[in-house]
Amino acid sequence: DAEITQSPRHKITETGRQVTLACHQTWNHNNMFWYRQDLGHGLRLIHYSYGVQDTNKGEVSDGYSVSRSNTEDLPLTLESAASSQTSVYFCASSEITGTGFDEQFFGPGTRLTVL
Amino acid sequence: AQTVTQSQPEMSVQEAETVTLSCTYDTSESNYYLFWYKQPPSRQMILVIRQEAYKQQNATENRFSVNFQKAAKSFSLKISDSQLGDTAMYFCAFIIGNTPLVFGKGTRLSVIA
Repeated sequence: DAEITQSPRHKITETGRQVTLACHQTWNHNNMFWYRQDLGHGLRLIHYSYGVQDTNKGEVSDGYSVSRSNTEDLPLTLESAASSQTSVYFCASSEITGTGFDEQFFGPGTRLTVL
Repeated sequence: AQTVTQSQPEMSVQEAETVTLSCTYDTSESNYYLFWYKQPPSRQMILVIRQEAYKQQNATENRFSVNFQKAAKSFSLKISDSQLGDTAMYFCAFIIGNTPLVFGKGTRLSVIA
């Protein structure tokens, strides 16, 4: 069955370190998204991609970067981790159909703690 | 900017009773899709129900139904015959064309035995 996976599921790191969160989907979807979830804020968009070599900034992109070298993967990098980036991170993917929309499928999330 | 507002941070309901979660949104577009997602303690995001804005008929999925009022920009979720497994965070969201989802801040629902 097609799926979307994230790794690691839990990560503890120190302030200033570079961290990369992996997202891998086997749906063959062109669209991929990264969100962060914080108490009281719901899910906020960090970066997104509509295809290979395409990346776009979301609402809370400062301090994060992504690159899309293939259809299946969209890794999220924190260049220099900060305590404010302690959060739960979700990856999602979707595809456009003839109706103009398709469901977004979410990964299981990664809990990141920055000490 | 597109926004989604969920005015009820927390709600509770007795098992087997009915509960309604509120959601309002703001957009100048006329064609869009609305969603309710459920997030149980496992953290997995699960699509509960969706509504196309061009459809006047309210969507239903088993015990879940929506009251979509396009002019009022309102999209509430009704859960009938509440079950303990309905305990979760519920997020309202919408999408316009091929754009990312815009989420509300969520409503934490507790079903009490």
